[in-house]
Amino acid sequence: GEEVAQTPKHLVRGEGQKAKLYCAPIKGHSYVFWYQQVLKNEFKFLISFQNENVFDETGMPKERFSAKCLPNSPCSLEIQATKLEDSAVYFCASSLLLAPRMVYGYTFGSGTRLTVV
Amino acid sequence: DQQVKQNSPSLSVQEGRISILNCDYTNSMFDYFLWYKKYPAEGPTFLISISSIKDKNEDGRFTVFLNKSAKHLSLHIVPSQPGDSAVYFCAASGSGGGSNYKLTFGKGTLLTVNP
Repeated sequence: GEEVAQTPKHLVRGEGQKAKLYCAPIKGHSYVFWYQQVLKNEFKFLISFQNENVFDETGMPKERFSAKCLPNSPCSLEIQATKLEDSAVYFCASSLLLAPRMVYGYTFGSGTRLTVV
Repeated sequence: DQQVKQNSPSLSVQEGRISILNCDYTNSMFDYFLWYKKYPAEGPTFLISISSIKDKNEDGRFTVFLNKSAKHLSLHIVPSQPGDSAVYFCAASGSGGGSNYKLTFGKGTLLTVNP
C-alpha cells in the first residue's frame, strides 16, 4: 500500500510493563525510521533500518528499547519495563532512500500514542 | 544541542493573507531542507523541499526560500486558507557521513488561519 501503517493507535501500560509497537512500511521502501515525539515537541530519532538490518541505532536508549524489521513481517519497536518518561507518540517512517532527496521524502505513519501510568 | 530551530511556537494570520514561517539551522553539513505539515492525531506529511544548490522552490501557494549564508529558511503560504491551519515542522538532512543523513526536525510552529 501507499501508506505507512502503525498499530496500535493508542497503548496504555503500567510502569514496568512491556510495550510493543508495530509498523508496516510502504512496499518497496528499503528504509525504516523510528522517531519519538514527547509532549508535541521535536521529533527525536531512535533507529533506522535498511531492510532487515539495523543501519543506525544511535538514538536508542541502550537498555530497555529494541527494534526489529524481519522479512515478511511488520517492523516492531519494543520497550521493556516502561517508565513514565517513555510516554510519547512514536512515529515510524519509510523511504526509498536513506536521505530524503527531491520528492523522496520520508513517509510517516500516523503514530502510536504510548501512555505509561 | 538543537540543530534546527523554529523560534515561533505559533502564528496567527487572516485568510487570504501571507503566512511566513521561519527556520534556522546550525549544522553546515545540512544540504536538503523540508517542510512537513501535521494535523492532530496524524503523522507529518511532506509539503515542500529545497536543495542547498537552490535559493527558492515554489509549488502552488507554497514557496520555500533558503539563505545559506544566514543558515535560514522560510516557508511562505500565499494566500493562506483555513485548511492550512496545522503545525509546520522544518526538517533538514545532510550528506558527508555519520548521522547527518537522517531528518532532524525543529519543534514546529502552530499556524492558525482565521476566516
